Amino acid sequence: GENVEQHPSTLSVQEGDSAVIKCTYSDSASNYFPWYKQELGKRPQLIIDIRSNVGEKKDQRIAVTLNKTAKHFSLHITETQPEDTAVYFCAARFQGYSTLTFGKGTMLLVSP
Amino acid sequence: DTAVSQTPKYLVTQMGNDKSIKCEQNLGHDTMYWYKQDSKKFLKIMFSYNNKELIINETVPNRFSPKSPDKAHLNLHINSLELGDSAVYFCASSQAASFVLAAQETQYFGPGTRLLVL
Repeated sequence: GENVEQHPSTLSVQEGDSAVIKCTYSDSASNYFPWYKQELGKRPQLIIDIRSNVGEKKDQRIAVTLNKTAKHFSLHITETQPEDTAVYFCAARFQGYSTLTFGKGTMLLVSP
Repeated sequence: DTAVSQTPKYLVTQMGNDKSIKCEQNLGHDTMYWYKQDSKKFLKIMFSYNNKELIINETVPNRFSPKSPDKAHLNLHINSLELGDSAVYFCASSQAASFVLAAQETQYFGPGTRLLVL
C-alpha cells in the first residue's frame, strides 16, 4: 500500500520567515496530494492540493510543489504569521482509490 | 460549519463497554470515512463507504463495526472497548469515490469525537 513520509516533525520559525514541509510517497501511481491544517483541538481542514499533472500550485502565501520523478511534494508558507501555528499533514491518494494516506504531521510553531 | 457533524463530541467510558459515534453530512456527498487520530496525532483511515456500501476496510479489529443507514450518515459502533481505543475519531466525506473532477476529491472532516476509555 501507499506510504507517506513527512519531515520535519516539528518546525519553529519567527514571524515573517518562510516554512517548508516535505513529503515523499511510495506509490508512483498516486495522483492527488492534499495538505491539511489542524489547529489545536480542531478538525483537519484542506488548505491546498495538487494533482499529478501539475508541478506547482499557489494560493496567496502558500504553495505546493510536486516532483513526480522523485516522488516528493512540498508545502511552502511565506511570511508566516502566528495564526499559521498548527499541525500540517500531507497526504497522497493512490490512483483508483478514494482513501488518503496521511503523513505523520508537522507541528509548525510561529513565534511573534 | 456544520457540513459534517458528529455526536458526541466527548465520550468517557469504562473498558468493556459498547459505544456508538454518529456522523452526518449535509453536503450531498456519496462517500464517507472514519479516521482514528491517536495521541501522536497520526491520522489513519479505518473505513470508507460509498453510497452506503463498504469500499475500504483497513486493518481494524472486528470490534469496530460501521453502519451506513443512508448515504448522509455513517455511524461507528465499538464493542468491548479497550484502553488502546482512546483517541479522537474523525468522520469525513467527499463528493465521490471515483474522481473525475479535482473538486470531488476534497475530504471534509467532522469536528471529531474524543474517546477516553478508562
